[in-house]
Amino acid sequence: DAGITQSPRHKVTETGTPVTLRCHQTENHRYMYWYRQDPGHGLRLIHYSYGVKDTDKGEVSDGYSVSRSKTEDFLLTLESATSSQTSVYFCAISGDRVRDTQYFGPGTRLTVL
Amino acid sequence: QKEVEQDPGPLSVPEGAIVSLNCTYSNSAFQYFMWYRQYSRKGPELLMYTYSSGNKEDGRFTAQVDKSSKYISLFIRDSQPSDSATYLCAMTYTGKLIFGQGTTLQVKP
Repeated sequence: DAGITQSPRHKVTETGTPVTLRCHQTENHRYMYWYRQDPGHGLRLIHYSYGVKDTDKGEVSDGYSVSRSKTEDFLLTLESATSSQTSVYFCAISGDRVRDTQYFGPGTRLTVL
Repeated sequence: QKEVEQDPGPLSVPEGAIVSLNCTYSNSAFQYFMWYRQYSRKGPELLMYTYSSGNKEDGRFTAQVDKSSKYISLFIRDSQPSDSATYLCAMTYTGKLIFGQGTTLQVKP
């Protein structure tokens, strides 16, 4: 998985609780991304980062926030989890945003009860 | 209308068959085209990458791009049970990667 780890790999939580997912890379790539994958929707971009402390929204950013304090770490936070956020979350990295392909981590399976 | 359309399948073929997977797109600005393979409960992995019209071959896999028709294809020759996975097309022009829904392929021994 191209030097990308995600933690936790599985999590079950209750509606209304905060959740933080972590993505860690060892490739020193500039760009990092968070996606969610749902049946019938494919992969959808939540947020991405183009450098330390530099982030921007994707197409499904409502209810999510992100932070990047170090090149290697990108955190995704659900401030108050809802059942609609039950999904599989993937982190991805790339060296160049336009031409470089993105490499994906192993995913985190999140269930919100 | 979605920017990228991909038939979700499932597609079931016998071992050794030639498989054709396809995507259509609506935005003529797309410049870079990719195919990812995703095994069950794993992250997508890059299979093929191309930035121009025409064919690109890598072993048993051939990626084809037809920009005039806004159509891309992935061909798998001599398909194997290990090719059973979901195949996602993806494309970009500004760095925003747009994925198709994915086609689930099963190759039966």
